[in-house]
Amino acid sequence: AQSVTQLGSHVSVSEGALVLLRCNYSSSVPPYLFWYVQYPNQGLQLLLKYTSAATLVKGINGFEAEFKKSETSFHLTKPSAHMRDAAEYFCAVSGNTGNQFYFGTGTSLTVIP
Amino acid sequence: DSGVTQTPKHLITATGQRVTLRCSPRSGDLSVYWYQQSLDQGLQFLIQYYNGEERAKGNILERFSAQQFPDLHSELNLSSLELGDSALYFCASSPGPTPSSYNEQFFGPGTRLTVL
Repeated sequence: AQSVTQLGSHVSVSEGALVLLRCNYSSSVPPYLFWYVQYPNQGLQLLLKYTSAATLVKGINGFEAEFKKSETSFHLTKPSAHMRDAAEYFCAVSGNTGNQFYFGTGTSLTVIP
Repeated sequence: DSGVTQTPKHLITATGQRVTLRCSPRSGDLSVYWYQQSLDQGLQFLIQYYNGEERAKGNILERFSAQQFPDLHSELNLSSLELGDSALYFCASSPGPTPSSYNEQFFGPGTRLTVL
């Protein structure tokens, strides 16, 4: 069975500071991993996805995530936060044989001017 | 704009009632997924259809049902509604049958259901 754990339901950073949102996964098989962003009153939008081609994955809006098998982690980072990054971020996992898609509980990012 | 459309945007109804939520997938996508997002339970996968057939089932209550029609649009039926069913219901679509890095899901804007 697959699952994800997002540490920290709320994260606050200053504008221009590093953003680090944590995601750990549990999977008995090599997983597919995703980060989604949800802006207020909108649906989820894919930020990036792990394809197994490279452990460092670059996404949209300057975000990237690194797949670390030894740590079972897929943390999301951005070097410099912008006000427009304030949103809810979800990590998700799916096994390569399973049909289900499991989302973490989400991390709400606040950017302080 | 993801290309996935959901109607209605908002729905207010009373306990015990039945409602139908509608989703049209992106052009060419054969899979439709339904999710429930509530404050206390987060984002929960409900059910997936692929090309008209049920493909996967998640935490969907027996009071809820869904179907996918030949034109690939999908409907989620919620009956005997309870206060706790108040939530945001999302539909997503993808080209293929299995979630993978090459079969990403595109989400609609959601339907906000309020049960009074």
